[in-house]
Amino acid sequence: GQNIDQPTEMTATEGAIVQINCTYQTSGFNGLFWYQQHAGEAPTFLSYNVLDGLEEKGRFSSFLSRSKGYSYLLLKELQMKDSASYLCAAMDSNYQLIWGAGTKLIIKP
Amino acid sequence: IAGITQAPTSQILAAGRRMTLRCTQDMRHNAMYWYRQDLGLGLRLIHYSNTAGTTGKGEVPDGYSVSRANTDDFPLTLASAVPSQTSVYFCASSLTGDGNSPLHFGNGTRLTVT
Repeated sequence: GQNIDQPTEMTATEGAIVQINCTYQTSGFNGLFWYQQHAGEAPTFLSYNVLDGLEEKGRFSSFLSRSKGYSYLLLKELQMKDSASYLCAAMDSNYQLIWGAGTKLIIKP
Repeated sequence: IAGITQAPTSQILAAGRRMTLRCTQDMRHNAMYWYRQDLGLGLRLIHYSNTAGTTGKGEVPDGYSVSRANTDDFPLTLASAVPSQTSVYFCASSLTGDGNSPLHFGNGTRLTVT
């Protein structure tokens, strides 16, 4: 079956760095997305990886290893507004997105 | 309107009633989607449409129907609501349906079926 695994919850300190991991098993693979979702709001797009390696976008970076079925989202210089759920989604061979349940990130002062 | 608009924002519905959730986008995106989000689960695709006039079934289509008469609108209908359909429903769109463009989500409809 198809599956996405990511931690349910993580806690980090303002100003620090946190890495949110995601492992996936899909029928074929056409890319890996990360979305941010604040409580009670809609998910918003953060990043897309289809090739191995690191994609950097400001304070956020996303990494992909296709051979390991693994991705991570790296958040630097954490701010209180980064408190949110982070959703990992892998695209299968039919271009359907398989979503993880999300990682709730709690930022403490 | 800017982006995707969903209505209503929330609704309490008696079991057995019919309900249509509305979704409109003004970005001229070709593809549109309906997802449900339940606590502890990932987003699950209900139905999708890659272009006006076509629709397809997602992972959890039973009890739901959609139509795509034009580019902008993608309503979701629950013919006879059941308590298991209590959820937050998100409509989304993307420029193309081939996976090369990210999803833009509406603000969601919180539906409670009693």
